[in-house]
Amino acid sequence: NAGVTQTPKFQVLKTGQSMTLQCAQDMNHEYMSWYRQDPGMGLRLIHYSVGAGITDQGEVPNGYNVSRSTTEDFPLRLLSAAPSQTSVYFCASSGAGTANYGYTFGSGTRLTVV
Amino acid sequence: AQSVTQLGSHVSVSEGALVLLRCNYSSSVPPYLFWYVQYPNQGLQLLLKYTTGATLVKGINGFEAEFKKSETSFHLTKPSAHMSDAAEYFCAVSPQGGKLIFGQGTELSVKP
Repeated sequence: NAGVTQTPKFQVLKTGQSMTLQCAQDMNHEYMSWYRQDPGMGLRLIHYSVGAGITDQGEVPNGYNVSRSTTEDFPLRLLSAAPSQTSVYFCASSGAGTANYGYTFGSGTRLTVV
Repeated sequence: AQSVTQLGSHVSVSEGALVLLRCNYSSSVPPYLFWYVQYPNQGLQLLLKYTTGATLVKGINGFEAEFKKSETSFHLTKPSAHMSDAAEYFCAVSPQGGKLIFGQGTELSVKP
């Protein structure tokens, strides 16, 4: 019963480097989304997807790309890392129907950009 | 735009006392509403949710919340606090499928 799996758990990047944060879920959930958590700001939505092949921007999409080629996977790409992207990143997934609606979160990736 | 306001970034209660965490939302349509809990260095865990039906919602660990449309509120309560309830709590609204908009969080401290 894995739920939502995020890798890596910790990462240090140099300014300008690129990387991909991985997110996978094994619950056959239609909805998946990425958030960043910063002190005093709660969680802010970066990108989200309502199904394979469909993605959309959230509140803070600049500097990030996503794709959803399968139901299970929703990777987040940092194109050119900046210190302002230092944060904790969470991936989440949810079923689409009312009874199944309620996001399950991964354990997070703590990213530091130096 | 949808938004969520949590009143009080820090709340402190004594063990055994009532816990009340306040959440107000703005929405032009009836939203789905959620409370999540986050323990240090962990992800978020769903406490309870309101989607349709009964406005008093019971969740895990003895928590409950009441959806009051007229007050646009979804306050979280627990009759008797336990030391293990110390954590950060987030209220969230879902204005459409796939999106969650979070409040800024309330850190709950429980004094012995």
